[in-house]
Amino acid sequence: EVQLVESGGGLVQPGGSLRLSCAASGFTFSNYWMAWVRLAPGRGLEWVANIKQDGSGKYYADSVKGRFTISRDNAKNSLYLQMSSLRVEDTAVYFCAREAYSSGWWGDWGQGTLVTVSS
Amino acid sequence: EIVMTQSPATLSVSPGERATLSCRASQSVSSNLVWYQQRPGQAPRVLIYGSSTRATGIPVRFSGSGSGTEFTLTISSLQSEDFAVYYCQQYYDWPPYTFGQGTKLEIK
Repeated sequence: EVQLVESGGGLVQPGGSLRLSCAASGFTFSNYWMAWVRLAPGRGLEWVANIKQDGSGKYYADSVKGRFTISRDNAKNSLYLQMSSLRVEDTAVYFCAREAYSSGWWGDWGQGTLVTVSS
Repeated sequence: EIVMTQSPATLSVSPGERATLSCRASQSVSSNLVWYQQRPGQAPRVLIYGSSTRATGIPVRFSGSGSGTEFTLTISSLQSEDFAVYYCQQYYDWPPYTFGQGTKLEIK
């Protein structure tokens, strides 16, 4: 059974930093593109970033480019999102997601971790 | 960037009735369109990919259609567990992957 478990969310002040983690199990992690997708209060889903199987390709939404960094450790079956220069508008539930068949959509999702940016 | 627009924003339907949700793309996405369901406090769940292919385990009452710029998700006979928010997403041209703003399906 595919399992994705996020951690690392919390309350942070504007301008601060936070690192999210996603522990994957139940599949061969190194075979899949992975992504972070967020759901902000009163707004819809937003793709944040994704990363190729070997980490050689990384892509970001314009809203986070230059502030967020996606990475992975295939030996640890883990996905990460380093967030810096956080803004109030980054407040959201962040989901880790596994891309299906290198397709561009996500068939498996974690339960999410809440990031609140507030002073 | 491809902009996805869903309508209506909120749809009120009685249990047992049919619901029809629409999604429009600002330019052609071919059939590279997926539908997700999101219940409060839960992760999104994929319903339909490739515009019309049901994902594993999805009941037959869910169906998708369309290509190019116009897409439809139909739920043939609403069950209580179907009242949720539905999102469409294009994966034809990226980055970025883009979602519609969602349609909230509520009980009438």
